[in-house]
Amino acid sequence: QKEVEQNSGPLSVPEGAIASLNCTYSDRGSQSFFWYRQYSGKSPELIMFIYSNGDKEDGRFTAQLNKASQYVSLLIRDSQPSDSATYLCAVKPGDYKLSFGAGTTVTVRA
Amino acid sequence: GAVVSQHPSRVICKSGTSVKIECRSLDFQATTMFWYRQFPKQSLMLMATSNEGSKATYEQGVEKDKFLINHASLTLSTLTVTSAHPEDSSFYICSARGVAGSIQETQYFGPGTRLLVL
Repeated sequence: QKEVEQNSGPLSVPEGAIASLNCTYSDRGSQSFFWYRQYSGKSPELIMFIYSNGDKEDGRFTAQLNKASQYVSLLIRDSQPSDSATYLCAVKPGDYKLSFGAGTTVTVRA
Repeated sequence: GAVVSQHPSRVICKSGTSVKIECRSLDFQATTMFWYRQFPKQSLMLMATSNEGSKATYEQGVEKDKFLINHASLTLSTLTVTSAHPEDSSFYICSARGVAGSIQETQYFGPGTRLLVL
């Protein structure tokens, strides 16, 4: 079982819609959770981090964490073509290294 | 802020030569730096982790004599690809993490270095 699993996609949403990205992790002791965005040919860029159960909102992005279910999600509201990218879920399972999922590719249709 | 730079951004070299890539944390002290490699349409692969002043820890399957890592200061780490071959062509990305408890404790990525070995 992979440490961090994401739907590979691609996830295609119309402009203005909500894009919903899911991530599950295997290490129940994980404490820190991150979402990175990676445009094609570029390096990952941190967009959200969350440590506590519940929701965390930052602009059009909302991260949701449920440690009991070992599940973290990212919602992108009012999706824009510029949101088209690969989104990487990352989990810090207790040691100092992040474990990354394979990423979900999102395409926002104009 | 938490800005990480990499140099060069792109390098083309002949097979058998060595290539050095620099990674710098510009506005914070990076106690730990990570080196990743990413092939086209694949996910990030962690190559090694380095802490300032100590030897790097390499992931399984990564040749430490081929990928030399030096973390000489709290703001600079270098990756040297020795005797590069075409199969080493890839996108190399460094990531820096700051002091525990600081806002920079999160991993921040450099812009990456695209290596092409002919």
